[in-house]
Amino acid sequence: DADVTQTPRNRITKTGKRIMLECSQTKGHDRMYWYRQDPGLGLRLIYYSFDVKDINKGEISDGYSVSRQAQAKFSLSLESAIPNQTALYFCATSAVALGEQFFGPGTRLTVL
Amino acid sequence: KQEVTQIPAALSVPEGENLVLNCSFTDSAIYNLQWFRQDPGKGLTSLLLIQSSQREQTSGRLNASLDKSSGRSTLYIAASQPGDSATYLCAAISGSARQLTFGSGTQLTVLP
Repeated sequence: DADVTQTPRNRITKTGKRIMLECSQTKGHDRMYWYRQDPGLGLRLIYYSFDVKDINKGEISDGYSVSRQAQAKFSLSLESAIPNQTALYFCATSAVALGEQFFGPGTRLTVL
Repeated sequence: KQEVTQIPAALSVPEGENLVLNCSFTDSAIYNLQWFRQDPGKGLTSLLLIQSSQREQTSGRLNASLDKSSGRSTLYIAASQPGDSATYLCAAISGSARQLTFGSGTQLTVLP
């Protein structure tokens, strides 16, 4: 089984809808991250969490919120989706702050 | 603000050739640098992590070097194979928040 899993893998939704993307990990890592990838722009950090009680905004947090339900689960929400949030979303984990990051398979989100 | 650049954006080589992928970063005060591979529509696979105190790291046919003073890292792939075809991303951890900043990637095609 994969160490970092994301659900759903693909999602098509409409403008204004609330969407939740979920991430689970079995690596036992404390640190979890959410990124989005857009063509030509690389990956950009949305939110990160160093433990269940420590959540921080990344480079592009506007329009997003997160919830760290447990050490192993980190969810990303779009309260009211808009078309420019169409992107590939990745969850990642690391054992320590400067450690190697491990990525999930990604969620392809399309907002119509 | 850290900026990471990867040139060229795309590279095509014949099978068996040795090749070098380049990564440059503007803030030399990095903690470490990580190289990833991304296959189309897939997640990121970690290839190598170079800590700031290291000059290079090797894994199989891959060798990554780091020169903090010049703000450069290279990924050397020996005896390239068609299965090496993918997008290669480098990312640097830097700043007080110790965040990963990604380059836009180099899309490598190895021709049989």
